[in-house]
Amino acid sequence: DVKVTQSSRYLVKRTGEKVFLECVQDMDHENMFWYRQDPGLGLRLIYFSYDVKMKEKGDIPEGYSVSREKKERFSLILESASTNQTSMYLCASSGGRGTRGGYTFGSGTRLTVV
Amino acid sequence: SQQGEEDPQALSIQEGENATMNCSYKTSINNLQWYRQNSGRGLVHLILIRSNEREKHSGRLRVTLDTSKKSSSLLITASRAADTASYFCATGISTGGFKTIFGAGTRLFVKA
Repeated sequence: DVKVTQSSRYLVKRTGEKVFLECVQDMDHENMFWYRQDPGLGLRLIYFSYDVKMKEKGDIPEGYSVSREKKERFSLILESASTNQTSMYLCASSGGRGTRGGYTFGSGTRLTVV
Repeated sequence: SQQGEEDPQALSIQEGENATMNCSYKTSINNLQWYRQNSGRGLVHLILIRSNEREKHSGRLRVTLDTSKKSSSLLITASRAADTASYFCATGISTGGFKTIFGAGTRLFVKA
């Protein structure tokens, strides 16, 4: 069964820590995405990547960076975690160019910054 | 405001009834997708309808798309308790680069 795997389901970090959220897909998909989900706000796009070593800012990139050194792995980095980054983080991937197909999501990482 | 907005925000029905959720959007789209999310989990892709299609079926799901009204509906027939989840519409657009934008979702509760 094809999968998007996020390394942690739950994570608790302290303010100011550097946080790495890892996402791996086994579908040879070109496109990978990081969203955060907050109650009442739906999913908001943080960063996305259409190819290895390529990245594009989404709607809310501030305070985040990403790395895509290999096709199957897309990492989200919180350079200095803050309490307003407490959220559910969802990674997704899709194949092909543009928006032709649906997304496959990971199970999510619920991050709490204290 | 968001590109896709679902209506209603929450819906409670009895098992066996049909559930209808609506989605409205603002800009031209390439496609529209519906996803389901069980509590605390990731989203699961249900169905995709392209901008040149008007209706699509998948099992107990029926999706319609009216591009003139910029709206879509998701109908779940003969609902089951296991259909309890949040349902999101997502619009695939190509303005300013390819993007898929999600709405805030409809919470569906199916009572056994």
